[in-house]
Amino acid sequence: QVQLKESGPGLVQPSQTLSLTCTVSGFSLTSYNVHWVRQPPGKGLEWMGRMRYNGDTSYNSALKSRLSISRDTSKNQVFLKMNSLQTDDTGTYYCTRDLTTVATDWFAYWGQGTLVTVSS
Amino acid sequence: DTVLTQSPALAVSPGERVTISCRASESVSTLMHWYQQKPGQQPTLLIYLASNLESGVPARFSGSGSGTDFTLTIDPVEADDTATYYCQQSWNDPNTFGAGTKLELK
Repeated sequence: QVQLKESGPGLVQPSQTLSLTCTVSGFSLTSYNVHWVRQPPGKGLEWMGRMRYNGDTSYNSALKSRLSISRDTSKNQVFLKMNSLQTDDTGTYYCTRDLTTVATDWFAYWGQGTLVTVSS
Repeated sequence: DTVLTQSPALAVSPGERVTISCRASESVSTLMHWYQQKPGQQPTLLIYLASNLESGVPARFSGSGSGTDFTLTIDPVEADDTATYYCQQSWNDPNTFGAGTKLELK
């Protein structure tokens, strides 16, 4: 059974760095791409970036200067780090997985999301 | 970035047919996908590659379109379909989502 679960601090101070972990089960990170998508309260979805099955990463150009995605395949974890957080970074952060190994960039599996509030 | 434009809201009665549109600012071929999101929940994939029904999704949902104009159809609508529906394109980088269409039942 495919599962993804996000974890991290619920509250981050402005200008600080956000660190989130996506722990996966039921599949291998070396076979599937994992993405991060976020959603401000009451607003729409924004694709942030992806960790490819082969370890390559891609980022939304709007966030690229602040964002880093990495992984630990031995722990089945994908990490998100984003620096210089501001209040408009507040929202729910999801990790998601592609439908299949070849069907990339549409998201069949989602974590439950983790709410991050940026506030002093 | 490719901008996806959706109508903000629709209200329909149970049993009716509803079409939700998504217009792209540039061609996305058929790499358009649709999601349903209920309040407090994560999105779920309904349709991929414009017209393919995701496994487990009721056949009441269907998708069509190519290029810049796409449609999600629900026929007939049921009370449980109350949700926000998002389109997403993966043809152009970065992936982008529409702002969502909130479907309410009368």
